[in-house]
This record gives sequence, C-alpha cells and structure tokens, in this order.
Amino acid sequence: DAGVIQSPRHEVTEMGQEVTLRCKPISGHNSLFWYRQTMMRGLELLIYFNNNVPIDDSGMPEDRFSAKMPNASFSTLKIQPSEPRDSAVYFCASSSAGGPYNEQFFGPGTRLTVL
Amino acid sequence: GQQVMQIPQYQHVQEGEDFTTYCNSSTTLSNIQWYKQRPGGHPVFLIQLVKSGEVKKQKRLTFQFGEAKKNSSLHITATQTTDVGTYFCAVNAGNNRKLIWGLGTSLAVNP
Repeated sequence: DAGVIQSPRHEVTEMGQEVTLRCKPISGHNSLFWYRQTMMRGLELLIYFNNNVPIDDSGMPEDRFSAKMPNASFSTLKIQPSEPRDSAVYFCASSSAGGPYNEQFFGPGTRLTVL
Repeated sequence: GQQVMQIPQYQHVQEGEDFTTYCNSSTTLSNIQWYKQRPGGHPVFLIQLVKSGEVKKQKRLTFQFGEAKKNSSLHITATQTTDVGTYFCAVNAGNNRKLIWGLGTSLAVNP
C-alpha cells in the first residue's frame, strides 16, 4: 500500500489567495483526519470524517477553512482567503475500525507558506 | 475538555544516556498511544497501551501505563542518534476515533 498520499508537498502563496490541500487515505480506512502543526501550537486536529461524514469540526479555526470528503478515497482542505498566520504543516491521517488498534497513519504533510 | 500534559518539552542527551518522557492526565484513560516524529517527517505510531500497569518493550524502548491509567511513560535505554525526534502521547477522546495529543517531547542526541 502506498500509505496516505498528500499533495502538494509544498505550497507557497500570497495572502488572500485560495489554497487547496488534497489527501488520499489508505484504501479501506474509514476515518480521515486533518491536522495542523506549528511550533507554537503543536499538533491540532482541525476536522475528522467517519465514513465520509464530518464528525467533529470544532478545531476548524474559522469560516475561511472548509473540508470535504466526496468519497472514501479523497478529501480536500480549502483555505480561502489565506493569511500569513495559516502558515504551517498540514497533515492528513487515516485509520481503520477493523485493526487491533485505532492508530492513525499520517501522510507526509503539506508545508504551507503564506506570504 | 480532556487534556494530556507531556513533560519535558525538550531533552538533550549524550549518546548512550537514557531518556524518559512522561504523559499525565487528570482523568482515567481508556488507552494511550505513542508516536514518534522524526525532524521533517510525520508522526508514526509506535504502540498502544490499554491495561492498567501494562509494560511493553520494543528493543530499547519501554512503555508503561500507570496503575490508575492516568499516566504513562516512554523510556529509551542507551540512546542513539537514530532516536532523535519528537515523541508524542495521544489518548482517545470519548467514544470516538478522535485523539487528544500531548505537545510532545523533543529529543536531541549528541554523538
């Protein structure tokens, strides 16, 4: 299995631009998580989906952030408009209800820089 | 909401020295997971502890779950440069798949 796939790996954009981050979870996993990681705030859960349905979006910072999961193999996290304080590494992770543990498998992350 | 406190925040050791990071909660935990994130990398699952007083070993790494299931520790014996990274504990939040994460302990190892 290729693991969790994220694209792009790096994104540099200017303030006010729209940013779309993409994630393909591990095949067969039914939970998907979006995280943001910064030095100041550590690893923050933004939103998670179970069977493509958003379950908890309490970590989404504000209305500028939105996430979708149109099917079991694809999710997007959109920031519109982007701001410099959104600069961070964004991780997508997936997990399966069927394993012995409910550990999360992380993608390589997208490093976002908003100028 | 539920929180887990992880200490220390940073640890700098000489290669060959031991290292321990601690994770503490004010509430009883159903389980606890440990992850490692190498510099520039992503968190990778190491282990899950479920039972009170449980001890698990992975080579030089020893994981413990407290008797009251409110704390846990990760101990590395004779650190190596390959142990460099940030170690996170994470716990389940209620009856769902959401994890509450500690802030991590960053380990630096001098060769």
